Amino acid sequence: GAVVSQHPSRVICKSGTSVKIECRSLDFQATTMFWYRQFPKKSLMLMATSNEGSKATYEQGVEKDKFLINHASLTLSTLTVTSAHPEDSSFYICSARSGATHTDTQYFGPGTRLTVL
Amino acid sequence: GESVGLHLPTLSVQEGDNSIINCAYSNSASDYFIWYKQESGKGPQFIIDIRSNMDKRQGQRVTVLLNKTVKHLSLQIAATQPGDSAVYFCAEKEARRDYKLSFGAGTTVTVRA
Repeated sequence: GAVVSQHPSRVICKSGTSVKIECRSLDFQATTMFWYRQFPKKSLMLMATSNEGSKATYEQGVEKDKFLINHASLTLSTLTVTSAHPEDSSFYICSARSGATHTDTQYFGPGTRLTVL
Repeated sequence: GESVGLHLPTLSVQEGDNSIINCAYSNSASDYFIWYKQESGKGPQFIIDIRSNMDKRQGQRVTVLLNKTVKHLSLQIAATQPGDSAVYFCAEKEARRDYKLSFGAGTTVTVRA
């Protein structure tokens, strides 16, 4: 149980293009999904919190117009990196939390490696 | 500021020995702690969690200890195996903080054959 998938696993794009990353909870309904960014040999940095049916809450310093998040259903959240530039190259990871009461555990997806040329 | 941090960035362990990974935190308002294992190129994998009303919790080959007095968290892995080689992160959640987790810097564990 508690399986989270991401698609694609890796993507290479040209500078200026937009890239969409999908995050799905496969065997549970995710009331809340989170998007993280991770640089090589560094810890996870929370970018935003996404609740189903409402606008995402972005962490300080994260541009909401740059990183568009949509949480249209209880099993799917998407992150779109708009007008990507080389500095956006990173490992993007999503996590999901079920809607059950007192459930604080986040289950992570396998991550998406984005390379912007 | 308040942060979650680890005492040692790397840990080398002989196969078959027990491993102890430490984590210090300073936010006394944290009520939930969790350990993740991350292998290279993959997402973090849940290992074990513990709430602040507990001191110890055991899983399969792993034990998490929480010392709220000194704000210290540890993960013990019994009979370490080569497959345990990975980066281990501790994370904390502050009570009433919208389920957000704050992650430590991570400890790289290398198992020697």
